[in-house]
Amino acid sequence: SQQGEEDPQALSIQEGENATMNCSYKTSINNLQWYRQNSGRGLVHLILIRSNEREKHSGRLRVTLDTSKKSSSLLITASRAADTASYFCATDRNAGNMLTFGGGTRLMVKP
Amino acid sequence: ETGVTQSPTHLIKTRGQQVTLRCSSQSGHNTVSWYQQALGQGPQFIFQYYREEENGRGNFPPRFSGLQFPNYSSELNVNALELDDSALYLCASSLGAGAVYNEQFFGPGTRLTVL
Repeated sequence: SQQGEEDPQALSIQEGENATMNCSYKTSINNLQWYRQNSGRGLVHLILIRSNEREKHSGRLRVTLDTSKKSSSLLITASRAADTASYFCATDRNAGNMLTFGGGTRLMVKP
Repeated sequence: ETGVTQSPTHLIKTRGQQVTLRCSSQSGHNTVSWYQQALGQGPQFIFQYYREEENGRGNFPPRFSGLQFPNYSSELNVNALELDDSALYLCASSLGAGAVYNEQFFGPGTRLTVL
């Protein structure tokens, strides 16, 4: 079963706009990770945030984590058509890489 | 490219058959995890192998089994295939297992269709 939910399930925006995706989870975690997947192929690791961190940045990506609400958000700024993909959050309870994934957000960025 | 390879890319089987999927880990990685991703859903953790021993298992029946070899390549075996086994199967390799985080790298997946 999935650990949590992602919201929205699908998002369509214009190039240059920001995209925000939210993730909720159910149990305590060691870290939370965000992945990207193009056309049902392999997953690409985007960013990891540890349970004692509240915010992290990597290039155009910004991730927040609220452990009291068991939720995280991924913000992609100044989106590009190449950002079109599915984005998944995944929780890791003990840093052992046995990940529990959400259902994903399908992002479409229109040129 | 993550350095993790999987074979075959696509596979079609019929219900009741057995299938073996293969994964070659990134060089130096001693941990491999397998995931099942049904169409339109997120991946689900099947099991993990660390230094040739099963190190953890998700909510999958015993007909899903695995092996990890001394060179850390890995196999996923599924017996008595069911229609619901149709999915993308992903393997991921990393160094170490637990306590300290090490980034996990995913392969491109094997798409299994059960007819």
